[in-house]
Amino acid sequence: DAGVIQSPRHEVTEMGQEVTLRCKPISGHDYLFWYRQTMMRGLELLIYFNNNVPIDDSGMPEDRFSAKMPNASFSTLKIQPSEPRDSAVYFCASSFNLGVPGNTIYFGEGSWLTVV
Amino acid sequence: DQQVKQNSPSLSVQEGRISILNCDYTNSMFDYFLWYKKYPAEGPTFLISISSIKDKNEDGRFTVFLNKSAKHLSLHIVPSQPGDSAVYFCAASFNAGGTSYGKLTFGQGTILTVHP
Repeated sequence: DAGVIQSPRHEVTEMGQEVTLRCKPISGHDYLFWYRQTMMRGLELLIYFNNNVPIDDSGMPEDRFSAKMPNASFSTLKIQPSEPRDSAVYFCASSFNLGVPGNTIYFGEGSWLTVV
Repeated sequence: DQQVKQNSPSLSVQEGRISILNCDYTNSMFDYFLWYKKYPAEGPTFLISISSIKDKNEDGRFTVFLNKSAKHLSLHIVPSQPGDSAVYFCAASFNAGGTSYGKLTFGQGTILTVHP
């Protein structure tokens, strides 16, 4: 059974360029999360979707960040324009039935972004 | 404001001994707590959880203790094995209605090294 699949695994880009990170959640999961990990702030929730609808985007740092989920099996996180401080590991995660505690959130392997 | 704190960035333990990882939280509304383990170049994986109605949950070598009055939880690993060497993240959530249990707040992580 495939887990959460993220691409690219590694990306190095120049400041000002657009970056698009992609995620395929586990089949059947109806929640999708985007997290960012940095040394300074640890793991932060950026945004999450339920049934393809954004539920909470309060963690999105600024307007340069946007996320979409056009269907149940695909999501993107876009940064435009990118800045060096966006360098981090971006994790996508998915789960189901989060109305009660106990269900596990499954993480992808992460996309390592470096903006120079 | 860091609502979930892991004050020890690292911990070194001898194989066979007990590893104790600590986590403090400030938000009294948190009622569900989790520990995740993360190996390099991989996403975090769920390890063990505890609801606020309990003060202890055990799963094999792993036990999580919750002290609500102190807003403190700890993860005990007995006996520790070299394969346990990883980053351990504490996370918390609460029921704000609907899908709120999906909104995990993570600590900074503790790097555990178990020496043979």
